[in-house]
Amino acid sequence: NAGVTQTPKFQVLKTGQSMTLQCAQDMNHEYMSWYRQDPGMGLRLIHYSVGAGITDQGEVPNGYNVSRSTTEDFPLRLLSAAPSQTSVYFCASSRRGEAFFGQGTRLTVV
Amino acid sequence: GQQLNQSPQSMFIQEGEDVSMNCTSSSIFNTWLWYKQDPGEGPVLLIALYKAGELTSNGRLTAQFGITRKDSFLNISASIPSDVGIYFCAGRNSGGSNYKLTFGKGTLLTVNP
Repeated sequence: NAGVTQTPKFQVLKTGQSMTLQCAQDMNHEYMSWYRQDPGMGLRLIHYSVGAGITDQGEVPNGYNVSRSTTEDFPLRLLSAAPSQTSVYFCASSRRGEAFFGQGTRLTVV
Repeated sequence: GQQLNQSPQSMFIQEGEDVSMNCTSSSIFNTWLWYKQDPGEGPVLLIALYKAGELTSNGRLTAQFGITRKDSFLNISASIPSDVGIYFCAGRNSGGSNYKLTFGKGTLLTVNP
């Protein structure tokens, strides 16, 4: 089982560039979410989706967009990267409230 | 917003010792989860708790859902070097299909062989 797959694993962006972090799951979970992890801050929710076509904001949504056209995929878009978005990003899909995480994308914005 | 206070922030113990960490919340949760994160990896679910007072074990790990529904603890018995990592608690208080979780800031565990 692949579970939750995130790509890329590492990325360096220049300030102002845009990019999309990909997330795919093969567990047929309706609920998916994106978190960022910063030192000493734990995991903070960026956006989440309770099913295809439905998304909502989490705790720290500014600077990020999401869409959910299929059950399997939940991409996270940075429209204009800023140094404050340097972080490790985790995608998760959930069953019965139990979140299963991908391996993360380590993003550096210079 | 909701806050989870997880303590201690870090622990440095000798192999073979028992470990205890806990989380407290300012609001009631209907689910408590405990995760472990190894360096460079995503968090992995260790134990899930769904009822107040529930006590659940997973090998050397034991976790409890507090009676007040505002706290949970995780114990690790007879620690070994591979227990090293960051342990997170997470709580959920939303219903239906909204599985939104709030995470603690983590406990960094170091085990000295």
